[in-house]
Amino acid sequence: QKEVEQDPGPLSVPEGAIVSLNCTYSNSAFQYFMWYRQYSRKGPELLMYTYSSGNKEDGRFTAQVDKSSKYISLFIRDSQPSDSATYLCAMSAQSNRLAFGKGNQVVVIP
Amino acid sequence: SAVISQKPSRDICQRGTSLTIQCQVDSQVTMMFWYRQQPGQSLTLIATANQGSEATYESGFVIDKFPISRPNLTFSTLTVSNLSPEDSSIYLCSVEDEASGGTDTQYFGPGTRLTVL
Repeated sequence: QKEVEQDPGPLSVPEGAIVSLNCTYSNSAFQYFMWYRQYSRKGPELLMYTYSSGNKEDGRFTAQVDKSSKYISLFIRDSQPSDSATYLCAMSAQSNRLAFGKGNQVVVIP
Repeated sequence: SAVISQKPSRDICQRGTSLTIQCQVDSQVTMMFWYRQQPGQSLTLIATANQGSEATYESGFVIDKFPISRPNLTFSTLTVSNLSPEDSSIYLCSVEDEASGGTDTQYFGPGTRLTVL
């Protein structure tokens, strides 16, 4: 079993829809959870980070962590064509070593 | 957040040659990381580079194939040696966000796209 599982998609949604992405993990020591956005031919850009369980909201983006289920989610409200990218989940156990999912390609159709 | 640049942005190399990738950061950082991103695969950590000490390599990566230099707190190089088509990938450097106080967040450079013929 991989440390981090993420369905690679792709996921196509109409503009304005809610995008829902998730990752599951196996290592119960993980306590920092991150979402990165990666545009084509660019490096990953840190989008959200959350410590332990709970929700975090930043504009149209909401990150949720459920440590009891080893499940994290990212929601994008009112999706825009500019949100079309690959979204990577990442997590760590305060060891400087990040474990990444494979990334989920999202296409927002105008 | 730190601003990170990489050179070259892309290259096409012949089998058996080597490519050296440079990573420059606009501020001093303790830890720099080198990753490989292959199509359809997770980002994979190659090694951690600390200034003044040998790089620490992850399982499956060896110094002879991926020598790393870290001459100061703003710069590092990764060399991919004796290239084969299997080395075709995107190589990324990253730095830890030291201002975040131990949240393990990392910032990435734009990547170097390597194609080996």
